[in-house]
Amino acid sequence: QVELQQWGAGLLKPAETLSLTCGVYGASFSGYYWSWVRQTPGKGLEWIGEINDGGNTNYNPSLKSRVTISIDTSKNQFSLNLRSVTAADTGLYYCARGGSSWLGWFDPWGQGSLVSVST
Amino acid sequence: EIVLTQSPGTLSLSPGERATLSCRASQIVSDNYVAWYKQQKPGQAPRLLIYGASHRDTGIPDRFSGSGSGTDFTLTISRLEPEDFAVYYCQHYGTSPLTFGGGTKVEIK
Repeated sequence: QVELQQWGAGLLKPAETLSLTCGVYGASFSGYYWSWVRQTPGKGLEWIGEINDGGNTNYNPSLKSRVTISIDTSKNQFSLNLRSVTAADTGLYYCARGGSSWLGWFDPWGQGSLVSVST
Repeated sequence: EIVLTQSPGTLSLSPGERATLSCRASQIVSDNYVAWYKQQKPGQAPRLLIYGASHRDTGIPDRFSGSGSGTDFTLTISRLEPEDFAVYYCQHYGTSPLTFGGGTKVEIK
């Protein structure tokens, strides 16, 4: 049974870079898209972007200029970098498995990482 | 971008009652590419219930059912169990950007 575990820094100052990593355990890493989704007080649930094991990415246009999602297939991990954070980026960040083709649904999800941006 | 509007915002019902949750899209969702999730508590990860508008995920009880097409989709819980009181979200997929509805909270009356 696939399990996603995520980690990364939770307290940031404005203009810093948010970095989170998600490890995939108990299932094949290949053949799926792997996503980041966040839940903020201002916008609710918001898809950030996705990547597959070939390194192909899709990003939400609203965040594309600040986001990089990368993958390390040797470790079964994928990562999120969000640059130039502001208070509006405060929220819960989840990694999730997407579908076997791009732009699918999410199942399962990681446990979530609380990120707070404050001076 | 497809905007999903969920209604009502809050549904107050008793255990054993039927819950009907609505998700309306700002444009036609092709191939009925709508999923439904349950978030048990704030801070807990959502759990997939339904994909393809009407297909239950593995292990989801059959009291949960999804229906709809085009721009109007519905999640029905036939008889509410205590663990069903939670927040439910719809999501469209297949086109970018993927978007979610604002959620419906099902609370105990």
